[in-house]
Amino acid sequence: GQNIDQPTEMTATEGAIVQINCTYQTSGFNGLFWYQQHAGEAPTFLSYNVLDGLEEKGRFSSFLSRSKGYSYLLLKELQMKDSASYLCAVRDIAGNTPLVFGKGTRLSVIA
Amino acid sequence: EAGVVQSPRYKIIEKKQPVAFWCNPISGHNTLYWYRQNLGQGPELLIRYENEEAVDDSQLPKDRFSAERLKGVDSTLKIQPAELGDSAVYLCASSSSGGYNEQFFGPGTRLTVL
Repeated sequence: GQNIDQPTEMTATEGAIVQINCTYQTSGFNGLFWYQQHAGEAPTFLSYNVLDGLEEKGRFSSFLSRSKGYSYLLLKELQMKDSASYLCAVRDIAGNTPLVFGKGTRLSVIA
Repeated sequence: EAGVVQSPRYKIIEKKQPVAFWCNPISGHNTLYWYRQNLGQGPELLIRYENEEAVDDSQLPKDRFSAERLKGVDSTLKIQPAELGDSAVYLCASSSSGGYNEQFFGPGTRLTVL
């Protein structure tokens, strides 16, 4: 079976750092994606991890541990526009196979 | 480069009526996906096309849902008849072959069935 868990909601303060965790159990693994989705809009790609370790891209970083079935998305210097849902998604085999998405974490950034 | 285009953006219908959604993927993307996203949930795959062939439709409720991708470009997803539980956002995504196959999503069609 496939199962992806993330917290439902988080709140953080403007300018702060927030870490959104994702754990997964899938029959196979060939990459983990993080997407950002503002209300009423399409998911947009943030990051991709296939090997263990940290990938940094500006204010956003994503970490993966395949042995633990664990990833996190780290957002630094939070801005109000970062208020959105953050979706963790796993591809369990190679190629153009569909992603299995978690339910998403709704992040609220407050002043 | 134009993104994935979907229409309509919003649709309100009464139950038992038919409805159709249209998707135009990014030019050159061979793979097209239809997802359904319920409120507070992540997207769930309905069907995946490789060019004009449906290669994964195991999650498509075939008694009422149908899809086509003639000529391997645009795609249409149809529901007939619609039920109350079909209210959701229907997302279309596309990806190219090779690489890590990032999926690009369209803005979605928000369907409300009354």
